[in-house]
Amino acid sequence: AQKVTQAQTEISVVEKEDVTLDCVYETRDTTYYLFWYKQPPSGELVFLIRRNSFDEQNEISGRYSWNFQKSTSSFNFTITASQVVDSAVYFCALSNQAGTALIFGKGTTLSVSS
Amino acid sequence: EPEVTQTPSHQVTQMGQEVILRCVPISNHLYFYWYRQILGQKVEFLVSFYNNEISEKSEIFDDQFSVERPDGSNFTLKIRSTKLEDSAMYFCASSEYGDANTGELFFGEGSRLTVL
Repeated sequence: AQKVTQAQTEISVVEKEDVTLDCVYETRDTTYYLFWYKQPPSGELVFLIRRNSFDEQNEISGRYSWNFQKSTSSFNFTITASQVVDSAVYFCALSNQAGTALIFGKGTTLSVSS
Repeated sequence: EPEVTQTPSHQVTQMGQEVILRCVPISNHLYFYWYRQILGQKVEFLVSFYNNEISEKSEIFDDQFSVERPDGSNFTLKIRSTKLEDSAMYFCASSEYGDANTGELFFGEGSRLTVL
């Protein structure tokens, strides 16, 4: 069975701090996809990144970076120099090749104060 | 930028009533989905829909739920006889392709359903 665990329920940081959100997944599929979504206070789900199981290269996009480690089944997300606008719930998700159903973790609520 | 739109944004209903949540997917997308999020909990997959039929559904999607694409633009989720535990945010999503490699999901802003 597929499962996504986000052990951190809530994280509070002060602006400009770096913060890492953890994500651990379980799957028996050899081909799978990992995602991160952001849910700001307004409620919508905003796509941040997709990574397939064959690509373990880390990715950086501005202040965001992702560390995918197959050996530990982890796909962690780091925000560098956090800002108040980063305050949101962040969800890690997993899908198989077919990709018709995303399995979401329970989310991590990030609060960034000024 | 094209977006998925959902109506209503919030609906309050009495237990046992029928509810229809509406979604307008992005126009060139062919794959449609419903997810739900009970307040403070994770987002859960309900159903995916392609070519006028359900392609996959979860255990949550029981006989009281149904989906339909009544015309060329709308995609609806019907709950026949609402229960208190159906209170949640319901998200519609669409994608151009059906596989995870190329099919990025675009989510709507959600419809909050409150069952009293």
